[in-house]
Formats: sequence, C-alpha cells, structure tokens
Amino acid sequence: DVKVTQSSRYLVKRTGEKVFLECVQDMDHENMFWYRQDPGLGLRLIYFSYDVKMKEKGDIPEGYSVSREKKERFSLILESASTNQTSMYLCASSFNRDRYTDTQYFGPGTRLTVL
Amino acid sequence: QKEVEQNSGPLSVPEGAIASLNCTYSDRVSQSFFWYRQYSGKSPELIMSIYSNGDKEDGRFTAQLNKASQYVSLLIRDSQPSDSATYLCAVNPIQGAQKLVFGQGTRLTINP
Repeated sequence: DVKVTQSSRYLVKRTGEKVFLECVQDMDHENMFWYRQDPGLGLRLIYFSYDVKMKEKGDIPEGYSVSREKKERFSLILESASTNQTSMYLCASSFNRDRYTDTQYFGPGTRLTVL
Repeated sequence: QKEVEQNSGPLSVPEGAIASLNCTYSDRVSQSFFWYRQYSGKSPELIMSIYSNGDKEDGRFTAQLNKASQYVSLLIRDSQPSDSATYLCAVNPIQGAQKLVFGQGTRLTINP
C-alpha cells in the first residue's frame, strides 16, 4: 500500500512565524504535490515537484516555498505565516508516467491555524 | 468556464438506491479521469480511475466516460450511509502533464 505521511495533523502558529510542513512518501514516487483546501474553493495546487531539487509553481504559490532534497520528502514552507493561510494542507504523490498522469495518493492532511 | 465542473449538491439519495454523480470537463485532450471520495475532515481517497470511453465497474461503483461529450460520471449502486461523503472528480488536462485539475466536489448524503 502507498503511504503518504505528513508531519502534523494539527498545527497552531502565530502571525509572522516561519512554518514548515513536511511530507514523506514510501513508494518511490517521482511526483509530489502540495495543495490547500478551503470550503467553497476546493483543492488548489500550491507547488509540485517531479524530481529531486525540481519544483514548479501551481495555481497559488504566493507566500509559500518548497524544498525537495530527497526523493521521498517534500517540504512546504510558509516564510511568514499570515491569517489567510489558515487552511487544510494536503500533500500527495504519484508515479511519473510517459503517457498518462498516474493516480495521486494523499496524505492525511495538516490543519493549520494561524492566529 | 471552469476546467472541471461538478454540481456541489448536496445530493440526497435513499439507502439502497443508485447515486449518480456527474462531472464535465473543458479540455478535449484530457486523457485520465479519477474519482476521489473525501469524508469530512479527512483526505481524498481514490475510488476509481478511467482512461477509455465506456464503463468501468468495481464492486458497487461504476465509472462512465464519454470523451465526445466531455463528461465522466460515477454510479454507486445499493447506496449505503457509509457512502455519505464529498466526491471529487479529477482530470489530467494535458497528455504527459503530471498535474490533475479537481472539481469542487459533490456532497452526497445517503438517507437511511
């Protein structure tokens, strides 16, 4: 079974703090993704990575950065947390296939509250 | 026009009936289609994937794809209260791309 784990289920931070969210997958997947999910807005892609040290911006990258130093680990960084970054953050991973994108498998999510 | 559209619901279905969830997409070259189920407060989990026109069955679930009409649907037979969740449709809009585009999701409630 594919397993995607995230460092925290719940996190409370203060405005201006630097926040690290970590994601680890154990299936040797090339692709990893960070989404945020908000009521009424659905899943929105923040950043994704298709290889170690590679990253691409998603739909809403502002205020976020990412790091992928090892294939199994993908970190999301909030340089200076703001209240509008309060959200559910979901990490996902998938194989990298030539023709079709493969299934994305999601971690359990981190509910981040910024006060 | 949104790339992937779903009726947000709520869709209410009596227990034992067939639940029908629909999704339309805008990009004609889309190749891969996925249905995820998401319980409240949980992360999405894959229900079905479909790549070719027609029906694909897995237990009580059937995915239907019609590329000419650009829609994909999910049928749930013999609906159970445990099927109550939000169902997300996801589409790979560009061949060879690694991203998925998700619909907003349809909230399904199965009434005992």
